[in-house]
Amino acid sequence: GAGVSQSPSNKVTEKGKDVELRCDPISGHTALYWYRQSLGQGLEFLIYFQGNSAPDKSGLPSDRFSAERTGGSVSTLTIQRTQQEDSAVYLCASSLSLAGGRGYEQYFGPGTRLTVT
Amino acid sequence: EDKVVQSPLSLVVHEGDTVTLNCSYEVTNFRSLLWYKQEKKAPTFLFMLTSSGIEKKSGRLSSILDKKELFSILNITATQTGDSAVYLCANTGTASKLTFGTGTRLQVTL
Repeated sequence: GAGVSQSPSNKVTEKGKDVELRCDPISGHTALYWYRQSLGQGLEFLIYFQGNSAPDKSGLPSDRFSAERTGGSVSTLTIQRTQQEDSAVYLCASSLSLAGGRGYEQYFGPGTRLTVT
Repeated sequence: EDKVVQSPLSLVVHEGDTVTLNCSYEVTNFRSLLWYKQEKKAPTFLFMLTSSGIEKKSGRLSSILDKKELFSILNITATQTGDSAVYLCANTGTASKLTFGTGTRLQVTL
């Protein structure tokens, strides 16, 4: 079946504008994760969803960042009033569940490269 | 705070060489350790390890976990230019979120 998809693949925006990034997980995967990878850096956890709820928002860098998930499927990550330091690749991953075994295997989408000018 | 450290940071080898990539970790609630290959944007899943001493193998790649010493290694034998990538190690801790190391950049030359 189809893998994780993300859109747009690239986004260039002006500082101060809002952006919305979309993630469509693998069908049947109940857990969904957002990560950020800045140039030359490792992946940084942002937020995860189990179903439509996000029990852990501790990774969101500031209150300009928010995310939601509807219908246990598609998720959007919104960044308000973008800053240049928000420039990064935003990666989404999904897994079968949060439980053990294969539920820990996270599969990544192709990412959205965000550039804030 | 969960932590994952990978070494070396980068490596250049000749095609046909064997390489060993290292990953050490500190985690509050260990659940699993994962290896990914990242060539462009999306990390591609390679292995998940949960038990000590059991080798996972896929073609020329293999990995093993030592839960007592808190490390894992990824071996690649008979390397090919297509193996050139960043190899990421990640640990599943609290709430299944992955804590990643900064990766090892492998370059395989002809």
